[in-house]
Formats: sequence, structure tokens, C-alpha cells
Amino acid sequence: AQSVTQLDSHVSVSEGTPVLLRCNYSSSYSPSLFWYVQHPNKGLQLLLKYTSAATLVKGINGFEAEFKKSETSFHLTKPSAHMSDAAEYFCAVGYSSASKIIFGSGTRLSIRP
Amino acid sequence: DTGVSQDPRHKITKRGQNVTFRCDPISEHNRLYWYRQTLGQGPEFLTYFQNEAQLEKSRLLSDRFSAERPKGSFSTLEIQRTEQGDSAMYLCASSLAPGQGEPYEQYFGPGTRLTVT
Repeated sequence: AQSVTQLDSHVSVSEGTPVLLRCNYSSSYSPSLFWYVQHPNKGLQLLLKYTSAATLVKGINGFEAEFKKSETSFHLTKPSAHMSDAAEYFCAVGYSSASKIIFGSGTRLSIRP
Repeated sequence: DTGVSQDPRHKITKRGQNVTFRCDPISEHNRLYWYRQTLGQGPEFLTYFQNEAQLEKSRLLSDRFSAERPKGSFSTLEIQRTEQGDSAMYLCASSLAPGQGEPYEQYFGPGTRLTVT
């Protein structure tokens, strides 16, 4: 069975400092991995995805994530946080047949001025 | 705007009433998904369609829930005899199907927030 664990329910960083949101996955197959962002009262927006190509994936808004099979991790990073990055972030794993996605419980990112 | 749309955005209903939500996917997407998201949790998969065929249903989808996609375009999700535990955000997403191109990206709509009083 596939599952995702987001290791932090809340992360708070100062504006201009690096962001690290941690995600570990469990999958019996070669996984597709995703990071989505959800701003208040908005739908989910795809930040980036890994689908067995390059292990370092670049996404929108300066975010990137590295797939590490040996550590079963897919952590999300950004070199310099911006106030507009404050939101809920979800890590997710999907089957290669592209059916359902399994989401983690989310990490709320707060940015301090 | 050519994204996924959902209607209504908010629904307040009394316990025991029936409600129906609509989702219009991105027009070229063959696959359509329904998820439920409760406060403080990630979305949970409910069901998905490829064209008009419902290919998978979660155990979360009790007998009171039914989803349809009659013409392979828009979809409806109906909840009969609503309960307070049904209060949640109901999200719809769409994607390409394998063979159409890059199938992995699911594009989400803004959701329908259901409150059962």
C-alpha cells in the first residue's frame, strides 16, 4: 500500500530564510510524487512532480524537491521564503497508472516578517 | 478560464437532506476525480471516472454517496440523507488518461464546502 508521512504539521520561518518541508513515502511500486500548495479557501495547486525522470525536480515559485529512493524521502525546499509562501503544503504519492493520489496530512507554513 | 470549476462553492444543509454538487473538468481531460477534505487533513480519494465509466470507488464512499458522469464531461456527486459527519470540502480534479499524454497531473477545482447542521 502507498502512504505519505509529512513529518511536520507546522513550520515557521522568517522571510528571506530557507524553507524545508519534509515528506517520507511508502510505495510498493515506482512512485509518482507530488507537492501541492493550498492557500486559504482556494483549491490545490501543483507545485512540482517527480515521475521517474531527474531526481531533482524544479517547480513553480522557486520551489524544488529531491527524490531520494534510499531514504524514501521527497523533501520540498526553497532558498528564500516570501510572505506569499504562507499556505498549507501537501505531499502526495500516486500510482503509475495515474489513478488516485494519496495525500499526506499537510504542513502549514508560516512566514515571519 | 479553462480550469476545473465546481458549483456551488458553499452549501449549508440540514441533517437528512439530499445535496448534489457539480464538477466541470478541463475539457480535454478524460479522467475526473472526487476527493473529500476535512479540516486539518489532506484530501482523501472518493472515486474516479475515465470518460463515463466509474473505475474505482473508495470504501469512504458509503451507500449514501453516488457519483455520475453520464456523458463523460461534467460529473455530479450526490449525498443522500446527509449527516453532520459529511461536513467537509469536496474537491474535484481532472487529468489526462494514460495514452493521452502526461497523465500524472491532476488539476483541482476550488471545492464545494458542505456544512451539515
